[in-house]
Amino acid sequence: GAVVSQHPSWVICKSGTSVKIECRSLDFQATTMFWYRQFPKQSLMLMATSNEGSKATYEQGVEKDKFLINHASLTLSTLTVTSAHPEDSSFYICSARGQRGRSDTQYFGPGTRLTVL
Amino acid sequence: AQSVAQPEDQVNVAEGNPLTVKCTYSVSGNPYLFWYVQYPNRGLQFLLKYITGDNLVKGSYGFEAEFNKSQTSFHLKKPSALVSDSALYFCAVRDMRDNDMRFGAGTRLTVKP
Repeated sequence: GAVVSQHPSWVICKSGTSVKIECRSLDFQATTMFWYRQFPKQSLMLMATSNEGSKATYEQGVEKDKFLINHASLTLSTLTVTSAHPEDSSFYICSARGQRGRSDTQYFGPGTRLTVL
Repeated sequence: AQSVAQPEDQVNVAEGNPLTVKCTYSVSGNPYLFWYVQYPNRGLQFLLKYITGDNLVKGSYGFEAEFNKSQTSFHLKKPSALVSDSALYFCAVRDMRDNDMRFGAGTRLTVKP
């Protein structure tokens, strides 16, 4: 199956700092990438969808100025949590969907555990 | 908009017994249906999908699922459960015309030795 990586796998930061999470599709070109947030024992909540080279589309209630998404290439998307606060602590998962035969399946990264002190 | 229901929060089975994890969906167009598994502190692993064709879909680790259009269901099954199958399972649906995938709330499967 396709491989999606995320870095870092976990991060602890102080309140007020910014954190960048990288998501890479390692063996396919991802025309669309998705960012999800998951709270303990809950399902995935879609935060935003991004297509390579264009601005991300954010779900209702997700602050685009707080969660900055960049999808600069077909293999890389980044999520930056700006001025993080303890309530931003969560498990963030990226997902990628590609082209030519991989366009119907989303593949997920291993997730990033963010803890804001 | 599409939606998914997983009616059971928890499913418990004994090792060696068959298992079923239920999923029903709602979508206005033709559905793309998926099952994913999540182990603790990990991302989601793709198990199988239904796009078109045969209603019975076989996937990874011996899992299979049956697409039932009249009942709008896509239940996940395995003939003989393993303790290592214990995990959180998510059903997901996407309208084939749409970018947006919706996930069910998840079902925690526990297989006891």
